[in-house]
Amino acid sequence: QSVLTQPPSVSGAPGQRVTISCTGSSSNIGAGYDVHWYQQLPGTAPKLLIYGNINRPSGIPDRFSGSKSGTSASLAITGLQAEDEADYYCQSYDSSLSGWVFGGGTKLTVL
Amino acid sequence: QITLKESGPTLVKPTQTLTLTCTFSGFSLSTSGVGVGWIRQPPGKALEWLALIYWDDDKRYSPSLKSRLTITKDTSKNQVVLTVTNMDPVDTATYYCAHRPYNSGWFDPWGQGTLVTVSS
Repeated sequence: QSVLTQPPSVSGAPGQRVTISCTGSSSNIGAGYDVHWYQQLPGTAPKLLIYGNINRPSGIPDRFSGSKSGTSASLAITGLQAEDEADYYCQSYDSSLSGWVFGGGTKLTVL
Repeated sequence: QITLKESGPTLVKPTQTLTLTCTFSGFSLSTSGVGVGWIRQPPGKALEWLALIYWDDDKRYSPSLKSRLTITKDTSKNQVVLTVTNMDPVDTATYYCAHRPYNSGWFDPWGQGTLVTVSS
């Protein structure tokens, strides 16, 4: 059972917009800790996609965007492409656990 | 360019101790604010943070595994070592090390990972 809750799967057709939610609690996201997102393509290591809730590292297309409100955060992907098919993980810090926590991951399928 | 690479055994027996080494380049673990973490991922499952060591040798461990984990660094060799005692089949996973940028809360980049199987 992950500390951060994500939907197991989402799907969308090419060109569409999808969102992935990440729900936490008052000891992590709700406590003001930032949320970060990773993309994990099949058989590869996770790659940083969004950091500090809304920021994209160099080289990440602006089709990817992040937001945070209260005890939740969201990742939005617009103009869905076949190569976006991957697992996506949110991550934050938890003060009760005094450590870093991940969501359970969301598998994105491009129809 | 920052790179990290994990190394260690691919197969360990139950009750044995696992020792993994993360060898990195492109940054120094003596630079203020920097850290290296270990994260694992059982096959088909989610990521789980295990441990992190800071530039000043401060160490943090996952509460659920704290009694079994030890993280150390060798700044001169650009290496971080993670030991996990009393390995069990449920510890079968891909183990990743990752760079924790200056005073940040995220991990970037990650090593390629190394799959460790626990079986007799």
